[in-house]
Amino acid sequence: EVRLLESGGGLVQPGGSLRLSCAASGFSFTNSAMAWVRQVPGRGLEWVSGLNRDTLSTNYADSVKGRFTISRDNSKNTLFLQMTSLRADDTAIYFCARDAVTLFGVLMTDWGQGTLVTVSS
Amino acid sequence: EVVLTQSPATLSVSPGERATLSCRASQSVSSNFAWHQQKPGQAPRLLVYGASTRATGIPARFSGSGSGTYFTLTISSLQSEDFAVYYCQQYNKWPPSFGQGTKLEIK
Repeated sequence: EVRLLESGGGLVQPGGSLRLSCAASGFSFTNSAMAWVRQVPGRGLEWVSGLNRDTLSTNYADSVKGRFTISRDNSKNTLFLQMTSLRADDTAIYFCARDAVTLFGVLMTDWGQGTLVTVSS
Repeated sequence: EVVLTQSPATLSVSPGERATLSCRASQSVSSNFAWHQQKPGQAPRLLVYGASTRATGIPARFSGSGSGTYFTLTISSLQSEDFAVYYCQQYNKWPPSFGQGTKLEIK
């Protein structure tokens, strides 16, 4: 069974930083593209970032480019999202997702339960 | 960015009836298109990808169709557990994008 467990969310002040983690199990993490998707509570979904399975190249939504960094530790089957210069409009539930179909982290075939990030003073 | 417009915003259907949800893309996305279901307080779940391929474990009453700019998701006979919000998604062009959602509610 595929399991994705996010952690690291919480309350942070504007301009602050936070690192989210996603512990993966039940599949070959090394051979999977991964992604982060966020959702403002009660609103729609927004793709945030993807990590290529083979090249480890990364892609970002324009709204987070230059502020967020996606990375992975294959030895720990863990995906990360380092978030800096946080703004109020970054407040959302952040979902970790596996892309088991494409190489690019753009199709969310499996989802974690999410972790809430609140940016507020 | 590819804009996906879902219709209707809310769909009221009785259990056992058929429901058809639509999604239109602002430009062609070929068949790189998916549908996700989300229930209150839960993570989304992938239903269909490649426009018409059901994801693992998804019941046969869910079917997707379309290509290019117009797509539909049909649920042939609604069960109580199908009432949820449905999002379409394209993964053909950067960045991947989602529709605003259709809420399927019990009539």
